[in-house]
Amino acid sequence: KAGVTQTPRYLIKTRGQQVTLSCSPISGHRSVSWYQQTPGQGLQFLFEYFSETQRNKGNFPGRFSGRQFSNSRSEMNVSTLELGDSALYLCASSRKTGSYSTDTQYFGPGTRLTVL
Amino acid sequence: DAKTTQPNSMESNEEEPVHLPCNHSTISGTDYIHWYRQLPSQGPEYVIHGLTSNVNNRMASLAIAEDRKSSTLILHRATLRDAAVYYCILVGDLSNFGNEKLTFGTGTRLTIIP
Repeated sequence: KAGVTQTPRYLIKTRGQQVTLSCSPISGHRSVSWYQQTPGQGLQFLFEYFSETQRNKGNFPGRFSGRQFSNSRSEMNVSTLELGDSALYLCASSRKTGSYSTDTQYFGPGTRLTVL
Repeated sequence: DAKTTQPNSMESNEEEPVHLPCNHSTISGTDYIHWYRQLPSQGPEYVIHGLTSNVNNRMASLAIAEDRKSSTLILHRATLRDAAVYYCILVGDLSNFGNEKLTFGTGTRLTIIP
């Protein structure tokens, strides 16, 4: 069974530009969550999508947005990039059976974004 | 969110058991204790989770204190491939949809000495 895939793996942008990152969850997984990882702040939750709807959101500005498609694939977008947006962006999927006590999240390898 | 406290770093010799502690004194009755680890240049991966009883799987064991205010992840025989950052995370009762958020702390960086 293929794992969570993220594209692209590496990206270099300049300040003010926008970027779109893609995540393909494990087949059959309906929930996709996004995280940002930086050396200073560690791993921080961005948002979660389930059935094409955003179900939970972290404390990030509105420049960070996302969406989920009917096949559960998800994209996140960052507009007006700032230097501080340089980070590893991780996507995680889970089956979301409704019994989260036994559900776990599976992470992709991440997209390394560098903002110059 | 309830917080967890872990040592910043630990070292262990290869092929010896490793005990990684986690304190969670503000845990609520419905919080599950999850452990994830992040190997170098990879995304986090699930290790184990439990509620009250000790748990075992092929990767590790989880020992939970009787009062649930602390827990210990046990790697029975550490290998070099176990070198990673280990995160102890409390996950609330998520039987309702829409609450997949994991709150990661700083974790414990485990170094394995050959």
